[in-house]
Amino acid sequence: RKEVEQDPGPFNVPEGATVAFNCTYSNSASQSFFWYRQDCRKEPKLLMSVYSSGNEDGRFTAQLNRASQYISLLIRDSKLSDSATYLCVVIYNQGGKLIFGQGTELSVKP
Amino acid sequence: ETGVTQTPRHLVMGMTNKKSLKCEQHLGHNAMYWYKQSAKKPLELMFVYNFKEQTENNSVPSRFSPECPNSSHLFLHLHTLQPEDSALYLCASSQHSSNYGYTFGSGTRLTVV
Repeated sequence: RKEVEQDPGPFNVPEGATVAFNCTYSNSASQSFFWYRQDCRKEPKLLMSVYSSGNEDGRFTAQLNRASQYISLLIRDSKLSDSATYLCVVIYNQGGKLIFGQGTELSVKP
Repeated sequence: ETGVTQTPRHLVMGMTNKKSLKCEQHLGHNAMYWYKQSAKKPLELMFVYNFKEQTENNSVPSRFSPECPNSSHLFLHLHTLQPEDSALYLCASSQHSSNYGYTFGSGTRLTVV
């Protein structure tokens, strides 16, 4: 089983749509969770951290379910500029290495 | 422009060549990493350096040889690579013992011919 698994892509959605990405992780001792965004042929950049209570940043909402070992990212009112690959990332312990999922590609069309 | 600079941005090398990738960070971080990203695969951690000391080698073949002369610079020396080593090589840095503030460089796109 992969350490971090994400929805297979690509997701093709029209502008204004709401889209949700899911991610599961295998290590129940995992401590920290993130969503990164990677544009084509560029480096990954931190989009947002994911907290147990859920957190929101504008059109983006992240949720964590520790019991199910499940993380989600919801994007509302999709923009063309949201087109990218979204990477689910887990850290097992304080100061530990990032473990990446394979990424889910999102394409927002006019 | 990020606080982590990688050179070169693109590299084409033959299987018998020796080349080096360079990474420099200006963020005052004390941990540095090499990651490999192949097409359609997750980023794979290769090496971790904390305070200039290598703390992790993720079963990387010896044809990849890292060097960390100080906490701001990281090199990846390459020799006798294989075509399947063609990938995007990403350097990152962070503050040791912090789960936040990982910053990636723009990467070196390597093609082995």
